[in-house]
Amino acid sequence: GNSVTQMEGPVTLSEEAFLTINCTYTATGYPSLFWYVQYPGEGLQLLLKATKADDKGSNKGFEATYRKETTSFHLEKGSVQVSDSAVYFCALSGDGGSQGNLIFGKGTKLSVKP
Amino acid sequence: GAGVSQSPSNKVTEKGKDVELRCDPISGHTALYWYRQSLGQGLEFLIYFQGNSAPDKSGLPSDRFSAERTGGSVSTLTIQRTQQEDSAVYLCASSTAWIGKNIQYFGAGTRLSVL
Repeated sequence: GNSVTQMEGPVTLSEEAFLTINCTYTATGYPSLFWYVQYPGEGLQLLLKATKADDKGSNKGFEATYRKETTSFHLEKGSVQVSDSAVYFCALSGDGGSQGNLIFGKGTKLSVKP
Repeated sequence: GAGVSQSPSNKVTEKGKDVELRCDPISGHTALYWYRQSLGQGLEFLIYFQGNSAPDKSGLPSDRFSAERTGGSVSTLTIQRTQQEDSAVYLCASSTAWIGKNIQYFGAGTRLSVL
């Protein structure tokens, strides 16, 4: 079945450091890929998404590119801020018009120190 | 409403009691999803509704769990005879349709503690 694997962390960085959180997936067909973020005390929010191969999702300085050849969707940010401290979840949903439910990775906790 | 609303935000119950969790999706969203977030299992999909219909109940962890949706809007997740392993945050999400590429919008969750 479909699955998502992401580095679990925790990850601790200094402000302005470069961030990469790795995410790989197993799925049939052409799933849609997402990064969700959960800030302390808040609910899950969509950070970015990509729905087809080679698409790049971007938001708030974060980017991720849908790589079908490596089945990956790594999250990157060039310069993190203290306010980026949160738990990040990689997720996928099914191919096209089917399988709308999300399958999540285990989550990666990011702490950014000033 | 402005977003997905869940109630209660926190629920403490005794082992063996029944609980009902409520979700009010974004107005006009036909698809509604329930997930569970726990330390051991991460985020697990439980069930989805397209309109009032739940075609696939296989994600529910046991027959003590049930869910319904009426009027294509509010949904309730019921857990009968609660057990300590049911302690988790229960999340509800909605989207415009049950299509993979559609964005799901999440509520703040109900934190269930079974003593």
